[in-house]
Amino acid sequence: SQKIEQNSEALNIQEGKTATLTCNYTNYSPAYLQWYRQDPGRGPVFLLLIRENEKEKRKERLKVTFDTTLKQSLFHITASQPADSATYLCALPSGGGFKTIFGAGTRLFVKA
Amino acid sequence: GAGVSQSPSNKVTEKGKDVELRCDPISGHTALYWYRQRLGQGLEFLIYFQGNSAPDKSGLPSDRFSAERTGESVSTLTIQRTQQEDSAVYLCASSRRQGSNTGELFFGEGSRLTVL
Repeated sequence: SQKIEQNSEALNIQEGKTATLTCNYTNYSPAYLQWYRQDPGRGPVFLLLIRENEKEKRKERLKVTFDTTLKQSLFHITASQPADSATYLCALPSGGGFKTIFGAGTRLFVKA
Repeated sequence: GAGVSQSPSNKVTEKGKDVELRCDPISGHTALYWYRQRLGQGLEFLIYFQGNSAPDKSGLPSDRFSAERTGESVSTLTIQRTQQEDSAVYLCASSRRQGSNTGELFFGEGSRLTVL
């Protein structure tokens, strides 16, 4: 069955450092992959989409890579700030249609 | 409205009662999703509506759960004979799907359901 894995352990980093989060998937050949941010008590908010023919995508301090051979996406936040503390979710289309499935998310804490 | 609107924001009910949760998507968004998020967990897919196509109900956990959508507007998620395990935040999202457009999902703030 299709599976999305994100590191369930929280990631703690110091302000100013680069945070790197991992999303691995199995039994998928997704045409694209999305990353979302979720703050406590709020709905997720879309951050970035990367397509299967794109190796890397950037948006301000965010960078996403997509390796379809390794079946992995890496999500980087450079020059991290305490305000970046949140849960980050990766999402993939499932079943050949537009149904979107989410990973469990990784909690990021950035210390001042 | 400007965003996805969900109501009620909080609902406390007794075991065995029925509940209805409502979602108002962004105008013009043809796709609508329902997800369940238990405390500290990820998003669990429940159901997906796309225009006038038959909904994808593959994530509904039991026949106590059902959802309807009128055209491309409001959706209602109904949980019958609620159980304590149904306690969770129910999130609705909408998306502008056109052809191969891989539009982002816009989420509401969720309806927090507590079953006593």
